[in-house]
This record gives sequence, structure tokens and C-alpha cells, in this order.
Amino acid sequence: GESVGLHLPTLSVQEGDNSIINCAYSNSASDYFIWYKQESGKGPQFIIDIRSNMDKRQGQRVTVLLNKTVKHLSLQIAATQPGDSAVYFCAETRANQAGTALIFGKGTTLSVSS
Amino acid sequence: NAGVTQTPKFQVLKTGQSMTLQCAQDMNHEYMSWYRQDPGMGLRLIHYSVGAGITDQGEVPNGYNVSRSTTEDFPLRLLSAAPSQTSVYFCASSSIYEQYFGPGTRLTVT
Repeated sequence: GESVGLHLPTLSVQEGDNSIINCAYSNSASDYFIWYKQESGKGPQFIIDIRSNMDKRQGQRVTVLLNKTVKHLSLQIAATQPGDSAVYFCAETRANQAGTALIFGKGTTLSVSS
Repeated sequence: NAGVTQTPKFQVLKTGQSMTLQCAQDMNHEYMSWYRQDPGMGLRLIHYSVGAGITDQGEVPNGYNVSRSTTEDFPLRLLSAAPSQTSVYFCASSSIYEQYFGPGTRLTVT
């Protein structure tokens, strides 16, 4: 079936390290991907997105890489800080569902120790 | 600009009771959605709406009803609550691609 999943349920890093969170998707028709951060007791918060016509997009301290050949998505966080500790979800959507329906992966819990 | 608001924040129901989870947005977005999140899981789509008067089912619609009489409001109704509906419910409002989530409603059905 169609699904978006993450490779690791948890990731522990030291403050200042770079973090890489991975995600695999199965539907090659997906054309838009989003990374969300969810802190305890809060709703998901948009971090960065990428469209299928791109393979890399950079934001502030974050980079998303898309490899359509192997249907793989990753989120890189530079100089990870304790405030980055949260659950990170990747999500996919398709053009005919833009703005409405996202398919979420199960999430990776990032723990940053100082 | 309050963004997306949800009420209540917490609710406990007995099996068979009904209730409505409220969601409102003040960003004039056409698109709104309801998701549920179970422990250790990502969010799963329940219902969504592409505009006032238009709704459709998502991945897990059974046991839930929605309506969209105004652009601002998108309530989710549980007609007869079941323990399997114990979850955290998130409402989302979106522009063409970016979704904004509310703070969630934690529902427990006993």
C-alpha cells in the first residue's frame, strides 16, 4: 500500500552535532513533501518543504534532500540545539490533494543532550 | 490573528455518548482537515473540506461526521463514542500547500 515511513523511531545526539532524520516513501506519484516538528502537547509545526522537481532545499539550519530514484527523503539539522528535541514527521501529498490531505510517517523522536 | 483554535482541550466521554469537537480558523483558508494521532503514530486523516459546503472522507472516517457551513468553522462530530476513538485530534487549516495545525483535543472514551 501507499505509506510514508521513517527509518528510526529515535535519534539521540549531542548539542552542536548535526542530525540527520530519514524517511522513505512508497508512492512515486507524490509530488510534495513536508517535514514537521511536534513538541510535546502541541500540534505539528511546519519546518520545511520540497517539491518533486527539486532534490535539495535549504532553510535556516535545516536542509531537506529528496532522492526520487530510491524514494527517500531526509532532514538535516545543523548544530543541533536542545530546543530541537521533538518528534519529527515527514509527510507527503499529491497535487490533487494539495492543501488538504497529508500522509504522515510514524515519526522520529530526536533527543538532544547538552 | 489567532490561527487555528480547537475546543475543548481535554474531554472524557463514556461509550455511546456523542459530542462535537470545535475547530475555527481566522486565516480565510479554503482547506481544512481533521486528523487523529494515536501513541507512537503519525497523524491519520479523518475528513477534509475544500470549501464551505464541501467535505470528503480521509483514511479513517468511520464513526465521525463533519460539516462546513462557513469558511471559518469545521466541527467534527462523534455520534456514538467508542473506546477506539480515544486519541488526540488535530484540526488543520491550509493555504495551497502549507498546513497550520491547532493545539489538539485529547479525547478519552471509557
